[in-house]
Amino acid sequence: DSGVTQTPKHLITATGQRVTLRCSPRSGDLSVYWYQQSLDQGLQFLIQYYNGEERAKGNILERFSAQQFPDLHSELNLSSLELGDSALYFCASSVGQVLDEQYFGPGTRLTVT
Amino acid sequence: AQSVTQPDIHITVSEGASLELRCNYSYGATPYLFWYVQSPGQGLQLLLKYFSGDTLVQGIKGFEAEFKRSQSSFNLRKPSVHWSDAAEYFCVMDSNYQLIWGAGTKLIIKP
Repeated sequence: DSGVTQTPKHLITATGQRVTLRCSPRSGDLSVYWYQQSLDQGLQFLIQYYNGEERAKGNILERFSAQQFPDLHSELNLSSLELGDSALYFCASSVGQVLDEQYFGPGTRLTVT
Repeated sequence: AQSVTQPDIHITVSEGASLELRCNYSYGATPYLFWYVQSPGQGLQLLLKYFSGDTLVQGIKGFEAEFKRSQSSFNLRKPSVHWSDAAEYFCVMDSNYQLIWGAGTKLIIKP
C-alpha cells in the first residue's frame, strides 16, 4: 500500500459526459501528479501540482482540468468524454518536486461507452 | 527531441536466469534517470534512480542499473530472476522537471 488513495476504482460513463476523479496523497506529500495509461499511448504524464499550485503540464487535453485543494487532495476533471479517453488514470504523490520518489495510487479505470 | 526508448516490448526469461532490460535515452545533458516497475495488483513502484556519481546504481528487490553516457543507455539488470519479478518495467527520464516515460518492457518468467 503506497498510501495514495484514488476514488472511484472504476467508472463507466457515456460519451459527452463529465467525470471527476479524486486523489488523496500520502501524508506529508506536497506534490500530486496525474497520469493516463492506455494501451496505445502508454503512460502519459498529464499534470503536476505542488502545494496547491500548478507546476508542470504534460500531454493534458483542454477538455481535462485538475486542481489541488488546501488539504492537498486533488481532483482531475474530464469533460466532453470521448471513447479514446477510456484508460487507467493514476495519481502519484511525492514529498517535493519531480525528482523525489513518486508513490502511485491504484488507479481509476475509466470506460467511456 | 528528448525521448526514452525501451526497444523490447516483451522479454521472456527462465526463473533463476539473469536479466537485462534495455533503455536508451536522448537528452542534451546528463539526465536524471529512473526505473519503475508496475506489478499486477501492486501499482507502480520506484526500483532505483540515477542522478550523478557512481554509474552503477543499486535498487530494491536485487535490481541494479548502469548508466553509460557513451551509449546513452541505462540498462536494468538482475542476476537471478524470481517468478515474482513478472511485471512491466518502465525506464523514465527527467526532462526539465517533467518525467518522460518509456513504453515499457513486459517481463515474462518461464518456470
